[in-house]
Amino acid sequence: AQKITQTQPGMFVQEKEAVTLDCTYDTSDQSYGLFWYKQPSSGEMIFLIYQGSYDEQNATEGRYSLNFQKARKSANLVISASQLGDSAMYFCAMSTYSGGYQKVTFGIGTKLQVIP
Amino acid sequence: GAVVSQHPSWVICKSGTSVKIECRSLDFQATTMFWYRQFPKQSLMLMATSNEGSKATYEQGVEKDKFLINHASLTLSTLTVTSAHPEDSSFYICSARDPGQIEQYFGPGTRLTVT
Repeated sequence: AQKITQTQPGMFVQEKEAVTLDCTYDTSDQSYGLFWYKQPSSGEMIFLIYQGSYDEQNATEGRYSLNFQKARKSANLVISASQLGDSAMYFCAMSTYSGGYQKVTFGIGTKLQVIP
Repeated sequence: GAVVSQHPSWVICKSGTSVKIECRSLDFQATTMFWYRQFPKQSLMLMATSNEGSKATYEQGVEKDKFLINHASLTLSTLTVTSAHPEDSSFYICSARDPGQIEQYFGPGTRLTVT
């Protein structure tokens, strides 16, 4: 079974500072993908960044980077230069394939609040 | 990125009635769409995987007779909550995967309130 663990229910960060949101995962699959999504209060899920299990380099997308440590099974999200608009729920997710179909498992999320 | 729409964005219905929620991929064809349910301050729970032209694959514990899923075309999947009850009140989100992309694109969600 696939499992995503996010141990930080809430985080605060000062505007313009960097913040790391933790995510660990568990799977017996060799091939999988790791995602981070942002969910503002409006409810929409916004894709931020993706890391494939065979990717050797950490993924980066603008101010977002994914610190992928395969041996530790962790995929932490780093947001640099935080902005007030970054305040939202952040979900870590893992994608695997079973029976030919993709399945995505989500963590419980971390609520990030950026302080001016 | 690709766009997925959902309609309606919110709906209030009386207990015992049925409600249909539409999920459309606007600029790509999605052979697979996903339906999630999210309770307040909780994570997304996958309900079912909707496959174009075939039956949906339901997750364990999800009543397929209560949550009817139809994926009639490559751009449209519908979720019908039949004989709705107050405990069905939730935020329902669909997503679709562009076969040429890795990530799933999510709709804006539908907030269902059953009175």
